[in-house]
Amino acid sequence: DAKTTQPPSMDCAEGRAANLPCNHSTISGNEYVYWYRQIHSQGPQYIIHGLKNNETNEMASLIITEDRKSSTLILPHATLRDTAVYYCIVRVAGTGNQFYFGTGTSLTVIP
Amino acid sequence: GAVVSQHPSWVICKSGTSVKIECRSLDFQATTMFWYRQFPKQSLMLMATSNEGSKATYEQGVEKDKFLINHASLTLSTLTVTSAHPEDSSFYICSALTSGRLNEQFFGPGTRLTVL
Repeated sequence: DAKTTQPPSMDCAEGRAANLPCNHSTISGNEYVYWYRQIHSQGPQYIIHGLKNNETNEMASLIITEDRKSSTLILPHATLRDTAVYYCIVRVAGTGNQFYFGTGTSLTVIP
Repeated sequence: GAVVSQHPSWVICKSGTSVKIECRSLDFQATTMFWYRQFPKQSLMLMATSNEGSKATYEQGVEKDKFLINHASLTLSTLTVTSAHPEDSSFYICSALTSGRLNEQFFGPGTRLTVL
């Protein structure tokens, strides 16, 4: 699976949009981009995933560049409960394929 | 979303004993489950892939005889840490993969193992 690069930490003011970048310059054509987050001492929580089109759900939006070498997770109105470590993972969809976690971005939402 | 549970949520044991951790998918069937280990302030490290009805596939550097994995049904996988030592103290997390096109992975809440 392709390696991802994320900034180690970011701050965001409460109520503002949080934009978390991820670089995956070696991504293959059949690899999806997944985002998960982990609140302290809990299991990771699925947020969103996409292949090449932008995606939106009730939690976040995922913007993937046209060349697919990078993506941005957007939390439109960050709350204090969004403080967590956010992981960007690229993976070929399929039951036999593993998820490998990078170091992630520690997002702190500031009141 | 789908729910994955783990039991116990925390366990303290003496060095040399074995500990079993259960991972259950509560409202879906999972032919594939994963086991991860996470040390403080570090990311999740994949230990093994557990497939129902077959032997688990271990990541490089993970001792299969020390970390026994059994995936006997479509809703249950177990991880047994045999002859645990203090260096095995960690946060163990399982996940279950949904079938179908989306292949979403849902995680359990984790099990905190402390070996004295």
